[in-house]
Amino acid sequence: NAGVTQTPKFQVLKTGQSMTLQCAQDMNHEYMSWYRQDPGMGLRLIHYSVGAGITDQGEVPNGYNVSRSTTEDFPLRLLSAAPSQTSVYFCASSYSGLAGLGETQYFGPGTRLLVL
Amino acid sequence: SQQGEEDPQALSIQEGENATMNCSYKTSINNLQWYRQNSGRGLVHLILIRSNEREKHSGRLRVTLDTSKKSSSLLITASRAADTASYFCATVPGANNLFFGTGTRLTVIP
Repeated sequence: NAGVTQTPKFQVLKTGQSMTLQCAQDMNHEYMSWYRQDPGMGLRLIHYSVGAGITDQGEVPNGYNVSRSTTEDFPLRLLSAAPSQTSVYFCASSYSGLAGLGETQYFGPGTRLLVL
Repeated sequence: SQQGEEDPQALSIQEGENATMNCSYKTSINNLQWYRQNSGRGLVHLILIRSNEREKHSGRLRVTLDTSKKSSSLLITASRAADTASYFCATVPGANNLFFGTGTRLTVIP
């Protein structure tokens, strides 16, 4: 199993450009999520999905869109990039999303995004 | 914000010493999880402690939880250079989502 994969590894954008960060998992996990990691802030939840066709907002959803058409994929879209979106983005997944019952998450390697 | 806070922000110790890092949080939780992040990599789950547990061990890791003080600590015993990484606590107040602390950067000097 490849686990959780993310592409690209690094991207430079100009303000106002759009792009999609890709995330895929081959573990048949129902739950997938996106985090951003900024210095001194830890990881903050952007959006999450508990299954195909179901998405919801996390702590910092503004400026980002998601969709979940398949179990395997959970892309994150930046419609009009801003310098404040410069960050490292992590995708994570878990079997059913029941973290409250003790389920743990598996993380991808991250995408480093620089918005000029 | 439901983020936790960790201290110290950075910790530097000699190989063989013990490392202790602390996590404080604000809300009631179902469980608390600790993750490790090597430089430039994703996070890897280390250990989970449930709200009705006070202490848990896994190899060289010992986690404690005090729900009355809303705090947890992670102890790494007999540290090794390979333990050099950032360590994050993550609280789980609800059913699905994790809320991460700000992290402790541990450096183990050979």
